Order: sequence, then structure tokens, then C-alpha cells
Amino acid sequence: AQSVTQPDIHITVSEGASLELRCNYSYGATPYLFWYVQSPGQGLQLLLKYFSGDTLVQGIKGFEAEFKRSQSSFNLRKPSVHWSDAAEYFCAVQNTGNQFYFGTGTSLTVIP
Amino acid sequence: ETGVTQTPRHLVMGMTNKKSLKCEQHLGHNAMYWYKQSAKKPLELMFVYNFKEQTENNSVPSRFSPECPNSSHLFLHLHTLQPEDSALYLCASSRGDLVAGGGETQYFGPGTRLLVL
Repeated sequence: AQSVTQPDIHITVSEGASLELRCNYSYGATPYLFWYVQSPGQGLQLLLKYFSGDTLVQGIKGFEAEFKRSQSSFNLRKPSVHWSDAAEYFCAVQNTGNQFYFGTGTSLTVIP
Repeated sequence: ETGVTQTPRHLVMGMTNKKSLKCEQHLGHNAMYWYKQSAKKPLELMFVYNFKEQTENNSVPSRFSPECPNSSHLFLHLHTLQPEDSALYLCASSRGDLVAGGGETQYFGPGTRLLVL
């Protein structure tokens, strides 16, 4: 069965520091991978996605993610975090049907 | 108008009440989804509609009843809920024209925060 693991429940970083959020997935075929961000009281906003091609994908707000098939990972990175990046981040995988599987999320706190 | 809207944004109901959640998408999509988001748990996919036909029902209790009258609107009818049904209910939509090997991007609404007393 497909699953998504986000090992870090909560991460705290200083403003201006770099950020990496981890995501591992379990899926037999080539997955379609997503990162979403959720601010308090809001729905999920798409940051970036990987369907095929270049394994390093660029997203909005300066985020990027790298698909590593050998490690079954799709980690999210940002070189310099801003206070407005504080939110909940979700990794998701889609199979070849209409089924989407989400991780439990990583809560990001940014300190000045 | 924003892409996916949900009403109401907040709802408090007793266990004997009947209420409905509404979702509307303005993106021209053909697939719509209901998710349940509870604290510290992954998003749970509840129902999927593709071209107004229900394609997924992930063992959701019958006290939740979806309705999709057209590709732009999706409802979730609620009756005799339990306190453990309190959660954020998210609606999403996507193109819905999946072909073999294709991926879909979902667009989410802001959610309805439901409290069952």
C-alpha cells in the first residue's frame, strides 16, 4: 500500500537560515509527488510537484524539491527562510488513479 | 472569485442535527474530492467524484452522504454525527482528465471547521 512519511513533526529555524523538510514515500511505480503548505485556518496551497523529467523541481515562494528514486525521497528545501514561511507543510503522493496519500505534516516555526 | 470555495467556514452541530457542507469550484475542473483533516493524522480521502460520478468511497460511515449535482458543486450531507467526526473538512478539485501515466494537481478550498457536540 502507498504511504507517505514525514519524520519531522515540528521544526524550528531562524529567519534567514536554510530549511530542509523530509519526505519519504512507499509506492511501487513512479510516483507523482507534491508539496503543499497550509497556513492556520486555510486550505492547502500547492508549492511544487514532480511528475517526470528533471528531478530537481522549482516551486513558488523560493522552494525547491529533489526527487531521489534510490532513497524514495522528495525533500523540500529553501535556502533562506522568511518569517512568513511559518506554516504546516504536507508531502503527498498520487498513484496512477485518483488516489492521493498525504503525510502527517511538518509544522515549521521561524524565529527572528 | 477564488478557485475553490467552501461554506460554511465554521459549523457547530449537535449529534441529532442534519447539516450540509457546500463546495464550489470555478476552475472548470471535472474531479472533486472530500477530505477529513484531524489533528496529528494524515489527510483522509473520503470521496472522489469524476465527471459527476462517484469513483471512490474510502469506507466512510453512512452518516456522511456526498452529492455532486454537477462538476462545479459538491456537497457533504451530515446526519447523526459523533464527536469524533469533529475535524476540518477540505474540498479539492482537479482536472479529472486522467490518462494513463498522467498526474493531477489538486486545488483546495479553505475548509469547513466542524465541531460536533
